[in-house]
Amino acid sequence: AQSVTQLGSHVSVSEGALVLLRCNYSSSVPPYLFWYVQYPNQGLQLLLKYTSAATLVKGINGFEAEFKKSETSFHLTKPSAHMSDAAEYFCAVTSNYGGSQGNLIFGKGTKLSVKP
Amino acid sequence: DAGVTQSPTHLIKTRGQQVTLRCSPKSGHDTVSWYQQALGQGPQFIFQYYEEEERQRGNFPDRFSGHQFPNYSSELNVNALLLGDSALYLCASSSIGSTGNTIYFGEGSWLTVV
Repeated sequence: AQSVTQLGSHVSVSEGALVLLRCNYSSSVPPYLFWYVQYPNQGLQLLLKYTSAATLVKGINGFEAEFKKSETSFHLTKPSAHMSDAAEYFCAVTSNYGGSQGNLIFGKGTKLSVKP
Repeated sequence: DAGVTQSPTHLIKTRGQQVTLRCSPKSGHDTVSWYQQALGQGPQFIFQYYEEEERQRGNFPDRFSGHQFPNYSSELNVNALLLGDSALYLCASSSIGSTGNTIYFGEGSWLTVV
């Protein structure tokens, strides 16, 4: 079985500060990992995905994440927070990306607040 | 190019009623998945449709059923609604034959059961 744990349901940073959102996964098979962002009253937008290529993945809006197998982690970072980054962020895992597309297991989410 | 579209965007139903939610996948996508997102929670996988058949199912009761049409659009039906069914229902589309393809989500349908 696969699972995702997001540490911290709420993270608050100042504008211009480093954003670090933590995600740890559990998977008995090679995982494929994703970060999605959800703005209020909207659906999910893909930020980035890891599908067994480069371990450092760059996404949209300046976000990036590093896959660390030894730590079973896939933390999301952004060097400098912007007010527009305030949203909820979800980490998700699946396996056999080509064969079981859509069967994503999501974490509970981390709400990011950005202070001016 | 339209993305994933869902309807209705909001609806209110009474306990015991039935509801149908609709989804049109992104152009070129043949696989539709449905997720339930309760308030303050991450989305939970309900089921996936491909070639008009349910291919995978999450831990949801039989009250939740679906359908996929030849044009790849899909419906989610929930019977005998419970208060706990109140949630955002998200539709996701992808192309099952394309390795590494992105999964796109719609804006969702907000269901309130009173």
